[in-house]
Amino acid sequence: EVQLVEAGGGLVQPGGSLRLSCAASGFTFSRYEMNWVRQAPGKGLEWVSYISSSGDTIYYADSVKGRSTISRDNAKNSLFLQMNSLRAEDTAVYYCARSYPVVSRIFDHWGQGTVVTVSS
Amino acid sequence: DIQMTQSPSSVSASVGDRVTITCRASRDISTFLAWYQQRPGTAPKLLIYAASNLQSGVPSRFSGSGSGTDFTLTISSLQPDDFATYYCQQANSFPAHFGGGTKVEIK
Repeated sequence: EVQLVEAGGGLVQPGGSLRLSCAASGFTFSRYEMNWVRQAPGKGLEWVSYISSSGDTIYYADSVKGRSTISRDNAKNSLFLQMNSLRAEDTAVYYCARSYPVVSRIFDHWGQGTVVTVSS
Repeated sequence: DIQMTQSPSSVSASVGDRVTITCRASRDISTFLAWYQQRPGTAPKLLIYAASNLQSGVPSRFSGSGSGTDFTLTISSLQPDDFATYYCQQANSFPAHFGGGTKVEIK
């Protein structure tokens, strides 16, 4: 069974940093592209970032570009999102999502999410 | 960027009703479209990919259609488990924008 378990969320002050992680199991992590998707309280879904299976191709949403870094450790079946210069508008549930094998921009499995709150 | 517009934003329906949700892309995305279901307090779940292909394990009362810029998600006979929010998402290119969501509520 595919499992994605996020961690690392919490309360942080504006301008602060957080490192989110996602532990993957139940599939061959190194063969799959991965993503982060977020959802602000009471709002819709927003794709945040993508990383290829090898880590050599990366994309970011404009809203986080320059402030966030996605990475992965295939040996440890883990995905990461380093978030810096956090703003109130970054407050959201952050989901780790696996890319569908055939079309990387479709997300076939999601974690339960980790909550990030940016507030003073 | 390719923007996605969903309508309606909410719909009230009864068990057994047929429900249709529409999604429009700001430009041609062929059939690079997915639909997701999100129940309150849970993660989204992939229902349909490539506009009309049912994800494994999804009940056959769900169906998707369309190509180009106009797409439809249909629930043929609404069941209690189906009261949720539904999102379309373009899968043509990054950024992979989602529609604003359609909340299906109990009438």
